[in-house]
Amino acid sequence: DAKTTQPNSMESNEEEPVHLPCNHSTISGTDYIHWYRQLPSQGPEYVIHGLTSNVNNRMASLAIAEDRKSSTLILHRATLRDAAVYYCIRLSLSGTYKYIFGTGTRLKVLA
Amino acid sequence: EAGVAQSPRYKIIEKRQSVAFWCNPISGHATLYWYQQILGQGPKLLIQFQNNGVVDDSQLPKDRFSAERLKGVDSTLKIQPAKLEDSAVYLCASSFSPTGGPLHFGNGTRLTVT
Repeated sequence: DAKTTQPNSMESNEEEPVHLPCNHSTISGTDYIHWYRQLPSQGPEYVIHGLTSNVNNRMASLAIAEDRKSSTLILHRATLRDAAVYYCIRLSLSGTYKYIFGTGTRLKVLA
Repeated sequence: EAGVAQSPRYKIIEKRQSVAFWCNPISGHATLYWYQQILGQGPKLLIQFQNNGVVDDSQLPKDRFSAERLKGVDSTLKIQPAKLEDSAVYLCASSFSPTGGPLHFGNGTRLTVT
């Protein structure tokens, strides 16, 4: 089962950090963790991905637990434009490398 | 770099009619995906192509849905005949390879079946 578990919704104040959790307790050693977000009326867009180590890019940071059973997407300073649905995806390198989306977390940013 | 192009942007049809969606992936991207996104849900993978070959179509309702990717570039997804429950956004995505880089999505085609 390649599904992940995320809270349905979260709220954050503008310019404050946001921590979006994801549970993937059945992850295997070669599964990557990917994060995508979907703004209203748009297709999903890539945010960040990682395997074992924490990762940073211009959009966000990804913190992966030592046992890899969970991860957290960190937006350092939320803006109104970060309001979106955030999807945490396990990508298995065995088989057909399918990106399977769950229902994601709807992030609301308050001004 | 030009993004993934999809058309039409919107389509309204009556049940039992047929409809086709078109996708032009990013140049050089060998892997192409079609997803169905029902309102309030995450995207559901329908079919995955590697060049012009089908890698996975296990979630494609083959009695009414078909897809092709001739010459390994553009792709079309067809529904015939459409049902009310096919109302959704159909998203096309591409990537350089199955493991080579992120997915790039188009903005989708919103289908309404009445």
